Order: sequence, then structure tokens, then C-alpha cells
Amino acid sequence: RKEVEQDPGPFNVPEGATVAFNCTYSNSASQSFFWYRQDCRKEPKLLMSVYSSGNEDGRFTAQLNRASQYISLLIRDSKLSDSATYLCVVTTDYKLSFGAGTTVTVRA
Amino acid sequence: GAVVSQHPSWVICKSGTSVKIECRSLDFQATTMFWYRQFPKQSLMLMATSNEGSKATYEQGVEKDKFLINHASLTLSTLTVTSAHPEDSSFYICSAKRIGQGSFSSTDTQYFGPGTRLTVL
Repeated sequence: RKEVEQDPGPFNVPEGATVAFNCTYSNSASQSFFWYRQDCRKEPKLLMSVYSSGNEDGRFTAQLNRASQYISLLIRDSKLSDSATYLCVVTTDYKLSFGAGTTVTVRA
Repeated sequence: GAVVSQHPSWVICKSGTSVKIECRSLDFQATTMFWYRQFPKQSLMLMATSNEGSKATYEQGVEKDKFLINHASLTLSTLTVTSAHPEDSSFYICSAKRIGQGSFSSTDTQYFGPGTRLTVL
């Protein structure tokens, strides 16, 4: 079983729509959780950390459910510039484990 | 913000040659750097953890004699792909952890280089 699993998508949504997706992780001892964004042929860039209480950063909302071992990301009022692959990242013993990514395409 | 550079950004080489990739933290010191490999449509896979002044720690399945890592200073780590073959063609990305980060979440934050695309013919 992979350490981090994500629905690869793609999620094709119109501008202004809300899109949400999850990822699951296998190691219950994982300590930190992040969402990264990766554009085609570029390096990953940190989008936001994910806290147990849930957190919001502008149009982005992240949730963590430790009991069920999943993390979610919700994007509201999506923009064309949100088109990217979103990587779920989990830290265990200070090592990052990446999901394969969820591709989101926002169309005009 | 923290900046990590990689050089070269892309390289094409013949099978059997060795390729060196540099990873530099430009505006901070990093005792620990990480090397990842990413194949198309797949996740980043950690290859090794590079520690300044000591030997790198390799992940299971990664040959240390094939992928030589040298962390010569607090701002530079190099990855050498020795005797490269077409199956080594991939996107290699490094990241660096900043010294002295205090909060729990920022301690785990890694800053990524722009990546090096290696094509072995």
C-alpha cells in the first residue's frame, strides 16, 4: 500500500466553481501534513500546511481527519490560475512522502 | 524568502557518462538537503538525505554507488549519477531544510529547487 494516495483526477471545473478532493495516508504516526502545488515540469511549491483544527488561506480550505487518516483540500471560486497538480504531502520521522497528485483544470 | 537553485536545469547525455547536479541554498544555510526523483505522472520519491559533513542516507532500493551524494558545505549538495543509462532519465529535484526554524510546522518545511531534467540517450 502506498504511503500517500490521491485521486489523480483530472477534475475539470468552470471558473468560479468549488472543487474538493482528498488524500489518505497509511502511517498513523505521521506528524505533519501539507498541500503542495506543482505546475507542469516545475518544482512543487508549498500551498499550505494542514492543521488538526482545519485551516483556511483565502479561497483554500484544508482539513485533517487523524482518526480516518485523510486530508482534504477545497478550492472556492476557482480561477484559471488554479489549474495545476496538487500534491498531498505527509511527514513521518521528518521525511516527506508525496502523493502522486490530483490534477485540477479550471476552464473559462 | 528561502531560495534553492539547481544546476543544470536540464541535461542530455550519452549512456555510460556521469552527470553531476548541484543544489544550492542561496540565502540560508542547510545542514540537511534531500534528493528526489520524479517520473512522469508519478509522485516525488525520496532518494536520499544529504547531511553536511557526513555520509548521505539512502532510501531502500537506491544504489549509493550509482547515485553519489556529497554535501560539501552548508549551502551546497551535489548528486552525481554515475554511468547513466536511459532508465535514469527523470526529473531530479533537491530540497533544503533551513537551520534555526523554530515553529513545528516551519521546521518541517522544505524549500525545493527548480529541478533538473535528465535525459540519457
